[in-house]
Amino acid sequence: DAGVIQSPRHEVTEMGQEVTLRCKPISGHDYLFWYRQTMMRGLELLIYFNNNVPIDDSGMPEDRFSAKMPNASFSTLKIQPSEPRDSAVYFCASSFAGHGGGELFFGEGSRLTVL
Amino acid sequence: QKEVEQNSGPLSVPEGAIASLNCTYSDRGSQSFFWYRQYSGKSPELIMFIYSNGDKEDGRFTAQLNKASQYVSLLIRDSQPSDSATYLCARGDSGANNLFFGTGTRLTVIP
Repeated sequence: DAGVIQSPRHEVTEMGQEVTLRCKPISGHDYLFWYRQTMMRGLELLIYFNNNVPIDDSGMPEDRFSAKMPNASFSTLKIQPSEPRDSAVYFCASSFAGHGGGELFFGEGSRLTVL
Repeated sequence: QKEVEQNSGPLSVPEGAIASLNCTYSDRGSQSFFWYRQYSGKSPELIMFIYSNGDKEDGRFTAQLNKASQYVSLLIRDSQPSDSATYLCARGDSGANNLFFGTGTRLTVIP
């Protein structure tokens, strides 16, 4: 399996621009997670889906952030408008409930820099 | 998400020594605990999980859980330079697949 695939790997944009991050989970996994990692706050859970349905989005910082999962093989995280404080590494991860939970397979991350 | 606390380090140990990493959590409803390793510039990867009080051993790694005291630890025996990484402690709730991570402890093993 190719693992969790994220794009873009790096994104540099200017404040106010729209940013879209993409994720393809591992085939057969029924959970998908979006995390954000910064030095100060560590790895924060933003939102997660089960069978394409958003389960908990309480970690989404504000209305500028939105996430969708239109099908089992694709998810997006959108930031509009972006701000410098959004600069972080955004990880997508997937898992299979049949494994008992806890083993998240992470993508390589999308490093976002907002100038 | 300050529900899981870790000493950020850095923790330095000589090669061959035992590295001890600690983690505390505040939610007594936590049922499962995980240790992930993250090399610089890479994504986290699972190295161990523990659900029950006591010790769990896997090769050079031992996870310890004490639910009464709300702490989890990871011991790495015979530390190798390749163990140099950030170690993330995470907790999960019963029946849930989402995890809450600590900020990680950076470990350096000195040859």
